[in-house]
Amino acid sequence: GAVVSQHPSWVICKSGTSVKIECRSLDFQATTMFWYRQFPKQSLMLMATSNEGSKATYEQGVEKDKFLINHASLTLSTLTVTSAHPEDSSFYICSARVWGQGLRETQYFGPGTRLLVL
Amino acid sequence: QKEVEQNSGPLSVPEGAIASLNCTYSDRGSQSFFWYRQYSGKSPELIMSIYSNGDKEDGRFTAQLNKASQYVSLLIRDSQPSDSATYLCAVNIPSFGNEKLTFGTGTRLTIIP
Repeated sequence: GAVVSQHPSWVICKSGTSVKIECRSLDFQATTMFWYRQFPKQSLMLMATSNEGSKATYEQGVEKDKFLINHASLTLSTLTVTSAHPEDSSFYICSARVWGQGLRETQYFGPGTRLLVL
Repeated sequence: QKEVEQNSGPLSVPEGAIASLNCTYSDRGSQSFFWYRQYSGKSPELIMSIYSNGDKEDGRFTAQLNKASQYVSLLIRDSQPSDSATYLCAVNIPSFGNEKLTFGTGTRLTIIP
């Protein structure tokens, strides 16, 4: 399968600081990437869809001014959590969409970034 | 009604037995269905994808899809302790120009040695 990397894998920061998370497709080009958040013992929640060269599409209830997404190239999308607060502490996971035969899509996930805001 | 429903478990299966995981979905227009495995503290890993009615086999895993019943399942044969994980069912919800996956809450599977 396709390989997706994320950096960093762990972040601990003080309340009020901003944190940038990178998501890279290593062996393919991804016009669309997705950002998810997962709280302990809960399922994945889609935050936004990141499209190369255009603005991200945010899910209802996700503050676009707080979670800035940039998809400047076909292999890199970034998520910046601005002015992070303890309630933003979570497991952030990106995925990249891969199109196969018959326009069938598959999503491959990065290893995730665990954010702890003190 | 949730878009994708799974029994949260935990589901306990003896080693060597068949584990059966089930998932139902609400949108009849869905065309793509996936099973992901997630170990504790890790991100999801794609196990199976299925797009047509019937069975699809890959090693010890078999995915079954019944679009008429809006039902998709995953069978794990010869269960191993390493299969202990949370299994997420994901369904592509059609949305013109904005297709995305919707995940179930996951079924926690424990294989008992």
